[in-house]
Amino acid sequence: ETGVTQSPTHLIKTRGQQVTLRCSSQSGHNTVSWYQQALGQGPQFIFQYYREEENGRGNFPPRFSGLQFPNYSSELNVNALELDDSALYLCASSLVQRQGAHEQFFGPGTRLTVL
Amino acid sequence: SQKIEQNSEALNIQEGKTATLTCNYTNYSPAYLQWYRQDPGRGPVFLLLIRENEKEKRKERLKVTFDTTLKQSLFHITASQPADSATYLCALHNNAGNMLTFGGGTRLMVKP
Repeated sequence: ETGVTQSPTHLIKTRGQQVTLRCSSQSGHNTVSWYQQALGQGPQFIFQYYREEENGRGNFPPRFSGLQFPNYSSELNVNALELDDSALYLCASSLVQRQGAHEQFFGPGTRLTVL
Repeated sequence: SQKIEQNSEALNIQEGKTATLTCNYTNYSPAYLQWYRQDPGRGPVFLLLIRENEKEKRKERLKVTFDTTLKQSLFHITASQPADSATYLCALHNNAGNMLTFGGGTRLMVKP
């Protein structure tokens, strides 16, 4: 177990609704990244937060937004849900002390189904 | 456009043999490359990180090579065991280290 937790485990929404997914980082980590993983594919990078500021973003529209809190927990918000948003959403935390690559510790994910 | 390719077909091998998985990339100059393991219904688990100036990295039964000329990484599991059965993902870092791009993963099945 990595110490990264996510809630809820599963979620069902309908098209057009909004959803908030939550992540609690591993203790001591200052960076959180969010990924979308469709069935049978690799995770796709949505964005990264470092010290409460967005620090990088993948090719996702503005209706995907996030927050990182002082205690390094994080939220992913998705507005105007579309059927293609159905996926496993993963958060990953890491300790970044200088520029460069760092191993990421993933949570178990939230399975979102949009009907 | 940037592309990371892993063999989408499952790799089936016999217990005790060496498994070799391939990760090829195009239109990318990564500073770092990582390999992760993912079991069904779980998040990926970090295995190894290799830098662009390193040719090879080892950890127990795992070995990773990184050839920036061929734009390829090979991931080896020696003396494979049924417990090694999982999907293995390669991931490339940009130079700033703030974006990780994953390949589609290769499923490994080790038969007893």
